[in-house]
Amino acid sequence: DAGVIQSPRHEVTEMGQEVTLRCKPISGHNSLFWYRQTMMRGLELLIYFNNNVPIDDSGMPEDRFSAKMPNASFSTLKIQPSEPRDSAVYFCASSPGDYYNEQFFGPGTRLTVL
Amino acid sequence: AQSVTQPDIHITVSEGASLELRCNYSYGATPYLFWYVQSPGQGLQLLLKYFSGDTLVQGIKGFEAEFKRSQSSFNLRKPSVHWSDAAEYFCAVGAKAAGNKLTFGGGTRVLVKP
Repeated sequence: DAGVIQSPRHEVTEMGQEVTLRCKPISGHNSLFWYRQTMMRGLELLIYFNNNVPIDDSGMPEDRFSAKMPNASFSTLKIQPSEPRDSAVYFCASSPGDYYNEQFFGPGTRLTVL
Repeated sequence: AQSVTQPDIHITVSEGASLELRCNYSYGATPYLFWYVQSPGQGLQLLLKYFSGDTLVQGIKGFEAEFKRSQSSFNLRKPSVHWSDAAEYFCAVGAKAAGNKLTFGGGTRVLVKP
């Protein structure tokens, strides 16, 4: 099993540019989570999907952030336009779906916005 | 809503010494508790989890944790630390009412002295 796959692993962009982060969950998992990790704020849940449907997006910081899950094997997190304060490590995680199941994390995407 | 507190931001321990990381949670009913470890540059990996039954839970890499309902705690322990245990450790709580969401503590960074 390849685990959760995220791409790119590193992204450097300039302020104002659009950034798209990608995630492929573990096959058979029906819950998918996007997190952001910074030194100041720690690990924050941005949004999570269940069966490809967004269930809770209360953690999405503002309208510049959007997430989609067009099918069970792919999700994107888009930032448009990007700002320096968006610099962070973004993690995708997937879970079999029951609330007592562990979440499996991807390696993360380190985003730097100049 | 549930919450998690990890009182220690940093802990330094000598190799071979014992380690205990504190975790306190707040939740009205029985929570589902997790400990994750994050090595530098990597995603989070599950060490162990508690749902019910025996309050002393064994995990991977020689870690164990004890659930104490009276103290609302779920502390992580390891009898003898190895240099490879240097990492950041996160306690997390889940609950049926929260669906598939986990609430993470702020993390404890462990440094291991030779």
